[in-house]
Amino acid sequence: DSGVTQTPKHLITATGQRVTLRCSPRSGDLSVYWYQQSLDQGLQFLIQYYNGEERAKGNILERFSAQQFPDLHSELNLSSLELGDSALYFCASSVLGLTGELFFGEGSRLTVL
Amino acid sequence: DQQVKQNSPSLSVQEGRISILNCDYTNSMFDYFLWYKKYPAEGPTFLISISSIKDKNEDGRFTVFLNKSAKHLSLHIVPSQPGDSAVYFCAATGSTSYGKLTFGQGTILTVHP
Repeated sequence: DSGVTQTPKHLITATGQRVTLRCSPRSGDLSVYWYQQSLDQGLQFLIQYYNGEERAKGNILERFSAQQFPDLHSELNLSSLELGDSALYFCASSVLGLTGELFFGEGSRLTVL
Repeated sequence: DQQVKQNSPSLSVQEGRISILNCDYTNSMFDYFLWYKKYPAEGPTFLISISSIKDKNEDGRFTVFLNKSAKHLSLHIVPSQPGDSAVYFCAATGSTSYGKLTFGQGTILTVHP
């Protein structure tokens, strides 16, 4: 158990819809990261927040957005969903993100039909 | 543009023998490298890391070697155990944002009893 909690674990929705994925980081961790793992792909970095502020951005689509709240939990919002958005979405956390040693949640599997 | 590549999708090894997983990178700005291990239905778990100022780092049965001139790193597991069977991801990052990891596509390691 990494201490990072993600909900929901599984989500099935239709094209054009909007979903929100939620992440609670490990106690004391200020940095939250979102990664996407599509079929046969490695994990792709989406975005990082540190203590409520956006710190780094990867190849995150404009249809996707994220935020980190004062209690440090984070949400990833995916809108106008397309079939290609079907993937595993991982949240990870770390204290400061100084070394890349991240603690990952179990992931949220999104299926877009 | 695949900046981190794991060219072997899978590796099969006998229990007690050595497992060698390889990884190549192209971005010269990477200065910190990590290996993560992932079991089915779980998030990736940090295994071992190495800074670019070193060429070897050891932790129990796991040793990571870095050849900067060849932009190549490898993970050695000795002796291999059936419980090591998992997907192994190589990841790299740079000093501008250590939490922004660039992952390889992973190698499935199977250790046979």
